[in-house]
Amino acid sequence: GAGVSQSPSNKVTEKGKDVELRCDPISGHTALYWYRQSLGQGLEFLIYFQGNSAPDKSGLPSDRFSAERTGGSVSTLTIQRTQQEDSAVYLCASSLLTGYEQYFGPGTRLTVT
Amino acid sequence: GDSVTQMEGPVTLSEEACLTINCTYTATGYPSLFWYVQYPGEGLQLLLKATKADDKGSNKGFEATYRKETTSFHLEKGSVQVSDSAVYFCALSDLSRDDKIIFGKGTRLHILP
Repeated sequence: GAGVSQSPSNKVTEKGKDVELRCDPISGHTALYWYRQSLGQGLEFLIYFQGNSAPDKSGLPSDRFSAERTGGSVSTLTIQRTQQEDSAVYLCASSLLTGYEQYFGPGTRLTVT
Repeated sequence: GDSVTQMEGPVTLSEEACLTINCTYTATGYPSLFWYVQYPGEGLQLLLKATKADDKGSNKGFEATYRKETTSFHLEKGSVQVSDSAVYFCALSDLSRDDKIIFGKGTRLHILP
């Protein structure tokens, strides 16, 4: 079956602009996770959803970052007023339920110029 | 907080050489331990896992044993192939608290023919 998909695969944006990153989880997976992979910081947890609610937002780096999930499916990660330090690969993962194996998407490479 | 430390790369070996990538962890609870692999141009994939002390995870000729006494989960393979060239991430998740994965910084492995 189809895996986790993310779009766009690459995004180049100017400093100060807003960006939206999309994640389509595996059908039927109730848990969805966002991570960030950057050269200096490795892989960092950002936020996770169980259904449409986000019990743990502790990893969001600043209030410029927000995420939502609607219909228990697609999720959008929004970064407002992007900064150069936001440049990274943003990874999405989904799992059947929390506590089950997480399956990762290919990521969105964000470059802020 | 919980953390994972793994040996820094890159690691360069000849084909058929023996591989060990060291990983140690710090956790207050009883985490599950994982090795993820990221092949060039691909997303993260779960390579193997162990959920309790003395468990051995294995896949594709790779093995790792959950050692609580040394808080380690070293990745080993007896004879590496060129196709094993990738970045390897050690990780933990404490399912008794939450579901987020905490990753090490990754070790890049190059296998020479």
